[in-house]
Amino acid sequence: DVKVTQSSRYLVKRTGEKVFLECVQDMDHENMFWYRQDPGLGLRLIYFSYDVKMKEKGDIPEGYSVSREKKERFSLILESASTNQTSMYLCASNWNRAEAFFGQGTRLTVV
Amino acid sequence: QQQVKQSPQSLIVQKGGIPIINCAYENTAFDYFPWYQQFPGKGPALLIAIRPDVSEKKEGRFTISFNKSAKQFSLHIMDSQPGDSATYFCAACSGSARQLTFGSGTQLTVLP
Repeated sequence: DVKVTQSSRYLVKRTGEKVFLECVQDMDHENMFWYRQDPGLGLRLIYFSYDVKMKEKGDIPEGYSVSREKKERFSLILESASTNQTSMYLCASNWNRAEAFFGQGTRLTVV
Repeated sequence: QQQVKQSPQSLIVQKGGIPIINCAYENTAFDYFPWYQQFPGKGPALLIAIRPDVSEKKEGRFTISFNKSAKQFSLHIMDSQPGDSATYFCAACSGSARQLTFGSGTQLTVLP
């Protein structure tokens, strides 16, 4: 059974903290993605990676960075968390232009 | 910039009804159009997908209709059931891109 696992379901962090969201996939997929989901805005792409150590900006990269040191792991980093980064964060992976598999999401609250 | 526009934002139907969700796109390079279904507390999962060489695709009670000239596609759910209550996202991808562009989502409620 294919699996994308996000390390936390719920996180509460303080403004200004550095936050790490971790994602691991077990399907040997080339591509990995980080989206944020907000009501009425759908899924917006933050960053994606198509190979180890490679990364590309998505539509809303400001305030975020990513790391992909191993093929199966893709981390999203909030350098200095702010309240407007309170959201649901979804990780996904796929082969090129094939079905994307999503994790269950991390609901992050920044207070 | 929203390259895939989805409507309506929410939809309530009675059991057995046929909800229709519509999406329109701008980028003529898009050539893969999937629909994702998301239940509360879960990540989205692929429901059905179409490529623009066909005008319709059916999988069980779910049908995608595709109108290339109008740059529109829609999801129809036949004989809808309360278990179909979920958020539905349309998406699009082009041959040169690796990432999907998603619509804003439709929250569907099917009343028993």
